[in-house]
Amino acid sequence: KNEVEQSPQNLTAQEGEFITINCSYSVGISALHWLQQHPGGGIVSLFMLSSGKKKHGRLIATINIQEKHSSLHITASHPRDSAVYICAASNTGNQFYFGTGTSLTVIP
Amino acid sequence: DAGVTQSPTHLIKTRGQHVTLRCSPISGHKSVSWYQQVLGQGPQFIFQYYEKEERGRGNFPDRFSARQFPNYSSELNVNALLLGDSALYLCASSLAGSHYEQYFGPGTRLTVT
Repeated sequence: KNEVEQSPQNLTAQEGEFITINCSYSVGISALHWLQQHPGGGIVSLFMLSSGKKKHGRLIATINIQEKHSSLHITASHPRDSAVYICAASNTGNQFYFGTGTSLTVIP
Repeated sequence: DAGVTQSPTHLIKTRGQHVTLRCSPISGHKSVSWYQQVLGQGPQFIFQYYEKEERGRGNFPDRFSARQFPNYSSELNVNALLLGDSALYLCASSLAGSHYEQYFGPGTRLTVT
Protein backbone atom coordinates (compact mmCIF):
# COMPACT_ATOMS: atom_id res chain seq x y z
CA LYS A 1 0.00 0.00 0.00
CA ASN A 2 1.34 3.44 -0.92
CA GLU A 3 1.81 5.98 1.84
CA VAL A 4 0.15 8.60 -0.39
CA GLU A 5 -2.88 7.84 -2.55
CA GLN A 6 -4.32 10.20 -5.12
CA SER A 7 -7.60 10.20 -6.98
CA PRO A 8 -8.61 10.29 -9.69
CA GLN A 9 -5.68 8.99 -11.76
CA ASN A 10 -6.99 10.68 -14.89
CA LEU A 11 -9.37 13.57 -15.28
CA THR A 12 -10.84 15.26 -18.33
CA ALA A 13 -12.77 18.49 -17.92
CA GLN A 14 -14.38 21.13 -20.09
CA GLU A 15 -12.90 24.60 -19.94
CA GLY A 16 -14.49 26.54 -17.10
CA GLU A 17 -15.31 23.55 -14.92
CA PHE A 18 -14.44 23.34 -11.21
CA ILE A 19 -11.91 20.57 -10.60
CA THR A 20 -11.03 18.67 -7.43
CA ILE A 21 -8.09 16.31 -6.95
CA ASN A 22 -7.91 14.33 -3.74
CA CYS A 23 -4.94 13.07 -1.72
CA SER A 24 -4.95 10.73 1.28
CA TYR A 25 -1.86 9.87 3.27
CA SER A 26 -1.10 7.33 5.96
CA VAL A 27 2.14 8.75 7.40
CA GLY A 28 2.63 11.46 9.99
CA ILE A 29 3.57 14.59 8.12
CA SER A 30 5.35 17.86 8.68
CA ALA A 31 4.04 19.26 5.39
CA LEU A 32 1.91 18.35 2.40
CA HIS A 33 3.07 19.50 -1.02
CA TRP A 34 1.09 19.92 -4.23
CA LEU A 35 3.22 19.86 -7.36
CA GLN A 36 2.51 20.41 -11.05
CA GLN A 37 4.42 18.57 -13.76
CA HIS A 38 4.17 19.51 -17.41
CA PRO A 39 5.13 17.27 -20.35
CA GLY A 40 8.91 17.24 -20.60
CA GLY A 41 9.29 16.71 -16.85
CA GLY A 42 9.60 20.13 -15.21
CA ILE A 43 8.03 20.19 -11.73
CA VAL A 44 6.70 23.33 -10.07
CA SER A 45 5.67 23.57 -6.44
CA LEU A 46 2.13 24.92 -6.18
CA PHE A 47 1.51 24.74 -2.44
CA MET A 48 3.10 23.59 0.77
CA LEU A 49 0.72 23.38 3.71
CA SER A 50 0.54 21.85 7.15
CA SER A 51 -2.93 23.09 8.16
CA GLY A 52 -5.98 24.88 6.86
CA LYS A 53 -6.24 26.32 3.40
CA LYS A 54 -4.13 28.24 0.91
CA LYS A 55 -5.18 30.09 -2.24
CA HIS A 56 -3.17 31.26 -5.20
CA GLY A 57 -5.10 32.68 -8.10
CA ARG A 58 -7.55 30.02 -9.31
CA LEU A 59 -5.91 27.30 -7.22
CA ILE A 60 -6.98 26.37 -3.70
CA ALA A 61 -5.43 23.71 -1.48
CA THR A 62 -6.95 22.42 1.73
CA ILE A 63 -5.79 19.93 4.32
CA ASN A 64 -7.56 18.09 7.13
CA ILE A 65 -4.90 16.80 9.50
CA GLN A 66 -7.31 14.65 11.55
CA GLU A 67 -8.60 12.86 8.45
CA LYS A 68 -5.16 12.78 6.75
CA HIS A 69 -6.66 14.19 3.59
CA SER A 70 -5.89 17.08 1.27
CA SER A 71 -7.62 18.46 -1.81
CA LEU A 72 -6.48 20.64 -4.68
CA HIS A 73 -9.21 22.67 -6.35
CA ILE A 74 -8.98 24.52 -9.64
CA THR A 75 -11.70 27.06 -10.31
CA ALA A 76 -12.64 28.12 -13.87
CA SER A 77 -10.28 25.54 -15.41
CA HIS A 78 -8.36 26.46 -18.54
CA PRO A 79 -6.54 24.34 -21.15
CA ARG A 80 -3.22 25.65 -19.82
CA ASP A 81 -4.02 23.87 -16.53
CA SER A 82 -3.52 20.55 -18.36
CA ALA A 83 -0.69 18.80 -16.54
CA VAL A 84 0.03 16.08 -14.01
CA TYR A 85 -0.70 17.12 -10.43
CA ILE A 86 1.28 15.31 -7.73
CA CYS A 87 0.67 15.20 -4.00
CA ALA A 88 3.70 14.61 -1.78
CA ALA A 89 4.01 14.24 1.99
CA SER A 90 7.16 15.10 3.91
CA ASN A 91 7.72 13.93 7.46
CA THR A 92 9.93 14.97 10.36
CA GLY A 93 12.43 12.31 9.31
CA ASN A 94 13.04 14.24 6.09
CA GLN A 95 11.40 11.54 4.00
CA PHE A 96 9.23 12.37 1.01
CA TYR A 97 6.35 10.19 -0.13
CA PHE A 98 4.77 10.86 -3.50
CA GLY A 99 1.42 10.00 -4.98
CA THR A 100 1.33 8.59 -8.49
CA GLY A 101 -0.16 11.79 -9.87
CA THR A 102 -3.40 12.89 -11.47
CA SER A 103 -3.27 13.58 -15.20
CA LEU A 104 -5.59 16.49 -15.98
CA THR A 105 -6.73 17.42 -19.47
CA VAL A 106 -8.86 20.52 -19.92
CA ILE A 107 -10.68 20.67 -23.25
CA PRO A 108 -11.48 24.05 -24.80
CA ASP B 1 18.00 34.77 -9.78
CA ALA B 2 18.98 31.50 -11.44
CA GLY B 3 16.85 28.49 -10.64
CA VAL B 4 18.04 25.01 -9.80
CA THR B 5 20.32 23.70 -12.51
CA GLN B 6 21.19 20.11 -13.32
CA SER B 7 23.75 18.56 -15.61
CA PRO B 8 23.85 16.82 -17.91
CA THR B 9 20.41 17.13 -19.48
CA HIS B 10 20.52 13.71 -21.11
CA LEU B 11 22.83 10.78 -20.65
CA ILE B 12 23.12 7.32 -22.19
CA LYS B 13 25.10 4.66 -20.33
CA THR B 14 25.66 0.93 -20.62
CA ARG B 15 24.74 -1.63 -17.98
CA GLY B 16 27.46 -1.97 -15.35
CA GLN B 17 28.82 1.54 -15.84
CA HIS B 18 28.93 4.33 -13.31
CA VAL B 19 27.21 7.72 -13.60
CA THR B 20 27.52 11.07 -11.81
CA LEU B 21 24.73 13.61 -11.94
CA ARG B 22 25.16 17.19 -10.73
CA CYS B 23 22.86 19.75 -9.18
CA SER B 24 23.34 23.42 -8.29
CA PRO B 25 20.77 24.83 -5.88
CA ILE B 26 19.24 28.27 -5.84
CA SER B 27 21.55 30.79 -4.20
CA GLY B 28 20.94 30.82 -0.46
CA HIS B 29 19.40 27.34 -0.36
CA LYS B 30 21.27 24.94 1.89
CA SER B 31 19.29 21.75 1.26
CA VAL B 32 19.26 19.53 -1.81
CA SER B 33 17.08 16.47 -2.41
CA TRP B 34 17.30 13.85 -5.15
CA TYR B 35 14.40 11.96 -6.72
CA GLN B 36 14.03 9.24 -9.33
CA GLN B 37 11.03 9.29 -11.65
CA VAL B 38 10.50 6.27 -13.86
CA LEU B 39 8.39 6.95 -16.94
CA GLY B 40 4.68 6.97 -16.09
CA GLN B 41 5.18 6.94 -12.34
CA GLY B 42 5.44 9.49 -9.57
CA PRO B 43 8.85 10.53 -8.21
CA GLN B 44 10.61 8.40 -5.60
CA PHE B 45 12.72 10.02 -2.90
CA ILE B 46 16.41 9.04 -2.93
CA PHE B 47 18.33 11.40 -0.62
CA GLN B 48 18.17 14.70 1.18
CA TYR B 49 21.23 16.71 2.21
CA TYR B 50 21.39 19.75 4.43
CA GLU B 51 24.55 21.62 5.34
CA LYS B 52 26.63 18.87 3.69
CA GLU B 53 25.14 16.10 5.82
CA GLU B 54 22.72 13.38 4.78
CA ARG B 55 19.41 14.06 6.52
CA GLY B 56 17.12 11.60 4.77
CA ARG B 57 17.40 8.47 2.66
CA GLY B 58 14.79 6.63 0.63
CA ASN B 59 14.56 2.95 -0.11
CA PHE B 60 17.33 2.67 -2.69
CA PRO B 61 20.25 0.19 -2.84
CA ASP B 62 23.79 1.09 -1.81
CA ARG B 63 24.68 1.53 -5.48
CA PHE B 64 23.17 4.98 -5.05
CA SER B 65 25.21 7.55 -3.16
CA ALA B 66 25.36 11.32 -2.97
CA ARG B 67 27.26 14.15 -1.41
CA GLN B 68 26.90 17.87 -0.91
CA PHE B 69 29.78 20.30 -1.30
CA PRO B 70 30.66 23.42 0.72
CA ASN B 71 28.96 25.59 -1.93
CA TYR B 72 25.79 23.45 -1.40
CA SER B 73 25.90 21.90 -4.87
CA SER B 74 25.41 18.17 -4.94
CA GLU B 75 26.31 15.04 -6.85
CA LEU B 76 24.34 11.83 -7.19
CA ASN B 77 26.39 8.75 -8.04
CA VAL B 78 25.02 5.46 -9.27
CA ASN B 79 27.31 2.43 -9.61
CA ALA B 80 26.82 -0.80 -11.54
CA LEU B 81 23.97 0.60 -13.61
CA LEU B 82 20.97 -1.60 -14.32
CA LEU B 83 18.37 -1.22 -17.06
CA GLY B 84 15.87 -0.35 -14.34
CA ASP B 85 17.89 2.73 -13.41
CA SER B 86 16.67 4.39 -16.60
CA ALA B 87 14.63 7.34 -15.37
CA LEU B 88 14.41 11.08 -14.97
CA TYR B 89 16.54 12.16 -12.01
CA LEU B 90 15.26 15.29 -10.36
CA CYS B 91 17.02 17.55 -7.92
CA ALA B 92 15.22 20.03 -5.69
CA SER B 93 16.61 22.69 -3.41
CA SER B 94 15.07 24.43 -0.43
CA LEU B 95 16.16 26.83 2.26
CA ALA B 96 16.59 24.19 4.94
CA GLY B 97 14.89 20.87 4.22
CA SER B 98 11.55 19.16 3.80
CA HIS B 99 9.60 21.71 5.86
CA TYR B 100 10.29 24.33 3.21
CA GLU B 101 9.05 24.81 -0.33
CA GLN B 102 10.93 22.65 -2.80
CA TYR B 103 12.27 24.17 -6.03
CA PHE B 104 12.88 21.57 -8.71
CA GLY B 105 15.49 21.49 -11.44
CA PRO B 106 14.70 20.37 -15.00
CA GLY B 107 16.05 16.89 -14.40
CA THR B 108 18.59 14.59 -16.03
CA ARG B 109 17.19 11.93 -18.34
CA LEU B 110 19.31 8.77 -17.88
CA THR B 111 18.98 5.89 -20.32
CA VAL B 112 20.75 2.64 -19.54
CA THR B 113 21.18 0.24 -22.47
